[in-house]
Amino acid sequence: DAKTTQPTSMDCAEGRAANLPCNHSTISGNEYVYWYRQIHSQGPQYIIHGLKNNETNEMASLIITEDRKSSTLILPHATLRDTAVYYCIVRARNTGTASKLTFGTGTRLQVTL
Amino acid sequence: DAGVIQSPRHEVTEMGQEVTLRCKPISGHDYLFWYRQTMMRGLELLIYFNNNVPIDDSGMPEDRFSAKMPNASFSTLKIQPSEPRDSAVYFCASSLESRLAGTYNEQFFGPGTRLTVL
Repeated sequence: DAKTTQPTSMDCAEGRAANLPCNHSTISGNEYVYWYRQIHSQGPQYIIHGLKNNETNEMASLIITEDRKSSTLILPHATLRDTAVYYCIVRARNTGTASKLTFGTGTRLQVTL
Repeated sequence: DAGVIQSPRHEVTEMGQEVTLRCKPISGHDYLFWYRQTMMRGLELLIYFNNNVPIDDSGMPEDRFSAKMPNASFSTLKIQPSEPRDSAVYFCASSLESRLAGTYNEQFFGPGTRLTVL
């Protein structure tokens, strides 16, 4: 699996957009970018994934650069409840089989008043 | 759906005792995963099942750990004998890997079991 690099921590003011970067310069053509988050004392939660096009769902937007070597997770209006550790994971998407997700150290996002 | 259910939520035991953690995956999911999380090692995959069959147990730390999935709605992770270094939060997750549904690698995690071995 391609290695990912994320900042250790970030702060964001409540109501502002939180932009969480992830570098994955060795990503291969069949690998997707997945984002999960883990709120304190809870299990990780799937957020979004993408291959090369930008993606948006009710939780967040994912912007992947054209060369696919980096991506940014955007929380458009961060709230205190978005305070969590955010994990960027690169993994191939195997038809009909599960993949082992490797969680790194992630980015600790602190949303403040 | 109630989501992934784990029990107990907290377990405190003494070294040498047997510990059994339980998991009920989301109905209809065909994969089940057991993870362990500690401050030192982060979140580690221990073992995962597909249609009740163990697929990869390379993350299981040693013979003291065993996992079973007797049916599609229940799995156990057993530690016998337990040791203080087994203290961690153990998460169970499930997923549906479906080309038809377009779902891959979207794992749903339970609330975890916090295990303390004294």
